[in-house]
Amino acid sequence: AQSVTQPDIHITVSEGASLELRCNYSYGATPYLFWYVQSPGQGLQLLLKYFSGDTLVQGIKGFEAEFKRSQSSFNLRKPSVHWSDAAEYFCAVGGLDAGGTSYGKLTFGQGTILTVHP
Amino acid sequence: ETGVTQTPRHLVMGMTNKKSLKCEQHLGHNAMYWYKQSAKKPLELMFVYNFKEQTENNSVPSRFSPECPNSSHLFLHLHTLQPEDSALYLCASSQGGQGRYGYTFGSGTRLTVV
Repeated sequence: AQSVTQPDIHITVSEGASLELRCNYSYGATPYLFWYVQSPGQGLQLLLKYFSGDTLVQGIKGFEAEFKRSQSSFNLRKPSVHWSDAAEYFCAVGGLDAGGTSYGKLTFGQGTILTVHP
Repeated sequence: ETGVTQTPRHLVMGMTNKKSLKCEQHLGHNAMYWYKQSAKKPLELMFVYNFKEQTENNSVPSRFSPECPNSSHLFLHLHTLQPEDSALYLCASSQGGQGRYGYTFGSGTRLTVV
């Protein structure tokens, strides 16, 4: 069964500081990986996604993530955080099984709440 | 209009009321989902529909009744709810059976049961 772990429930950074949010996944075959962001009272917005190829993927709002198969990780990074980045961030995994059939269902992590101090 | 639209945005209902949540997508997607998001809890997948057919029901109480009349519309009918059902209900859609594109979410309906 696939699973996603976001080890940090809450992270606080100062505006302008760099950010890294951790995501570890468990998946039997070829994973597709996603990061979503959710502002209070809103739905989830897709930040970026990884399917294959270059392991460093760029997303919206200046975010990037790196897929490391050996570590089963897909950490989200931003070099300089803005106050508007304060939100909850979700990592998700889905993808192809060993038989090559893709699944529509994603598994989400529990989320990491980001607080940004001025 | 594009994306996934959920109505109403906010709903307050008594435990004996009957109400419905609506979700509409104009993305040409074939799969639609209902999620429940409670405070300090992970996202809970409730129902999955593929090409209008329900393919997953994650042991959701019968007081929640989904309906998917076509691939663009999804409803969640509510009756005899409990206070613990208060939560943000999110609808999502995806290209049917293709997890590689991820989901597109609506803004949610904030439900309060009094």
